[in-house]
Amino acid sequence: QITLKESGPTLVKPTQTLTLTCTFSGFSLSTSGLAVGWIRQPPGKALEWLALIYWNDDKRYRPSLKSRLTITKDTSKNQVVLTMTNMDPVDTATYYCAHPRHDTIHWGQGTPVTVSS
Amino acid sequence: EVVLTQSPATLSLSPGERATLSCRASQTVSDYLVWYQQKPGQAPRLLIYDASNRATGIPVRFSGSGSGTDFTLTISGLDPEDFAVYYCQQRFNWPFTFGGGTKVEI
Repeated sequence: QITLKESGPTLVKPTQTLTLTCTFSGFSLSTSGLAVGWIRQPPGKALEWLALIYWNDDKRYRPSLKSRLTITKDTSKNQVVLTMTNMDPVDTATYYCAHPRHDTIHWGQGTPVTVSS
Repeated sequence: EVVLTQSPATLSLSPGERATLSCRASQTVSDYLVWYQQKPGQAPRLLIYDASNRATGIPVRFSGSGSGTDFTLTISGLDPEDFAVYYCQQRFNWPFTFGGGTKVEI
C-alpha cells in the first residue's frame, strides 16, 4: 500500500523560508521511472504543480517559481523535501505531495500553510 | 505553459441528469489529459487518465473523450455523491497544469 504524508509548519512569516517534508511508503524513489512532486492549492482556488523529482535526481520546477524552489530526495529515508524561499501571503495554500504513475496518482492528505506576520 | 480552460465554471443539475464538462488546451497535449474530482477538505481523486481511460474503481458513469486540444468529461446520470469540483490536468508538457475547475452543484 502506497502512502504519502506531508509535514511542516502551518504558519510562516513573510520573507521566511518554508520547508516541507513528504514521507512516503510502499515504493522506493530509487526505482527507475518513479517520481514524487509537490502541488499546492490556495483557498478556494485551483491546483498548481510546483516541482517534481525523479528517481535519477532529475528535477522540474514551475518556471514562475523556479528561483524560489528547491526539491531534494533522501532515498534512504523515503523522503522528499521542498523548500520555498521568500514566502508571501499569496503563498498561503494547502500543499500536497503526490506520486504520479501512468494510470494513477497517489496523494498525501495535504498540509495547510498560512503566510502571515 | 499550457493553459487549460474549463467550462462552464458552474453546472447546476439534478441527480440523474447528464453532466458534460469541457476542457480546452491552449496547445496540443495529445491525449495526456487527466480528470480529477475534488470534494471539500479532500485531495483530488483521479477519475480519467490519458483522456479516456477510467482509473481503477471509478464507476462506468464517468467517461472521458477528446484529444489534441479539446476534451470532455461526461457523467451519465449524476449520483448525489458526484456533486463536487472537477479539474482537468495535462501532463504532456512541464509544468503540468490544471484547469480552473468546474463546480457541479445541485
